[in-house]
Amino acid sequence: EIVLTQSPGTLSLSPGERATLSCRASQSVSSNFLAWYQQKPGQAPRLFIYGASSRATGIPDRFSGSGSGTDFTLTISRLEPEDFAVYYCQQYGSSPWTFGQGTKVEIK
Amino acid sequence: EVQLVESGGGLVQPGGSLRLSCAASGFTFSSYAMSWVRQAPGKGLEWVSAVSSGGSTYYADSVKGRFTISRDTSKNTLFLQVNSLRAEDTAVYYCAKHSSYYYGSGSYLGYWGQGTLVTVSS
Repeated sequence: EIVLTQSPGTLSLSPGERATLSCRASQSVSSNFLAWYQQKPGQAPRLFIYGASSRATGIPDRFSGSGSGTDFTLTISRLEPEDFAVYYCQQYGSSPWTFGQGTKVEIK
Repeated sequence: EVQLVESGGGLVQPGGSLRLSCAASGFTFSSYAMSWVRQAPGKGLEWVSAVSSGGSTYYADSVKGRFTISRDTSKNTLFLQVNSLRAEDTAVYYCAKHSSYYYGSGSYLGYWGQGTLVTVSS
């Protein structure tokens, strides 16, 4: 199975700053079928990015996804207060689907 | 609006069983694949099982032979029968709607329910 490794584990930033989250796969992700989810405490995950770079419905354009093959990035251009949460990457190109361990974006 | 509402979780002893349900609305349930994903307390996400619109089923190795996924299209409901439960099965179980009719390459999880907690303990 494909192992996804996210870094850093925790990102401490201030509102207005830029956040860069990394997701590295143990082998190439088929057709860049890589998604990013946001999860807040006590809530379900919410799809933010699919196909490595396509924003889901209603996701603001300060969120962008990039990358291909084994290296993917989620960028938040300017952090808003509601963006502080845990972000997971997930590959859906090869069974079984797998998730990264998550990156927590916290307020500095 | 897509809505997914899970139920059926609870406290169960090791070796016990539960039947989890997920009531779906706001979309044509029969046309989409569905999955269960779980999250142990304070941990990350783990895909558990999926069923295609046609009824083909898929399982993670960790639950194969113990869990059974099914769907009732007449009731727009997804099920997960969980048997021979172990302490490591303790988690919030989420149901999620796929973006397509199949589980497999290219079919991502667009919508998630709020989850139901399963606690396995004596």
